[in-house]
Amino acid sequence: LAKTTQPISMDSYEGQEVNITCSHNNIATNDYITWYQQFPSQGPRFIIQGYKTKVTNEVASLFIPADRKSSTLSLPRVSLSDTAVYYCPVISSGSARQLTFGSGTQLTVLP
Amino acid sequence: DTAVSQTPKYLVTQMGNDKSIKCEQNLGHDTMYWYKQDSKKFLKIMFSYNNKELIINETVPNRFSPKSPDKAHLNLHINSLELGDSAVYFCASSQSAGEYEQYFGPGTRLTVT
Repeated sequence: LAKTTQPISMDSYEGQEVNITCSHNNIATNDYITWYQQFPSQGPRFIIQGYKTKVTNEVASLFIPADRKSSTLSLPRVSLSDTAVYYCPVISSGSARQLTFGSGTQLTVLP
Repeated sequence: DTAVSQTPKYLVTQMGNDKSIKCEQNLGHDTMYWYKQDSKKFLKIMFSYNNKELIINETVPNRFSPKSPDKAHLNLHINSLELGDSAVYFCASSQSAGEYEQYFGPGTRLTVT
């Protein structure tokens, strides 16, 4: 199972674009990269997933380089409500897909 | 309506006791999971059931026993509780075992004294 490494914490200001990186050096060929958001006292919530290059949805963009050993979650124009822990679990291939979470990145958005 | 619900939300008990945590999902999903989140925020999968069949069984003490009476329910029973079992336990579900998106419940904070 691919192990992920992320910065423990980062701060940003309202209205800024935030990029959170994740390292997954031993990602397997058939593994996908997902990102989840967790607010205090709540369960994680799915944000986005991708295999390579760039994926964009209504809340975020995900950039994955060709070697797939890292990924970057981009949050445009963050607000105070984006303060949360962000995880980048790699999901294993096969019928029993398994999310492998790391310790996450605590993002704090300041006014 | 809550998609994935867990009861109780908080559970405080003494070492050696036996306790259960219940989980229900009303999303019509086929697959359900139990995760454990420790004090350092590491989230680790424990078990997964697909259509009531156990498909993931990580290295977890056999004091932990999941039970899935039907597709919508996955309960976790813990025997002889130990201090190290203190954590937040999350239930989750997904449409099928092959889905990337999992829906998590609000968690059950278990404190063993």
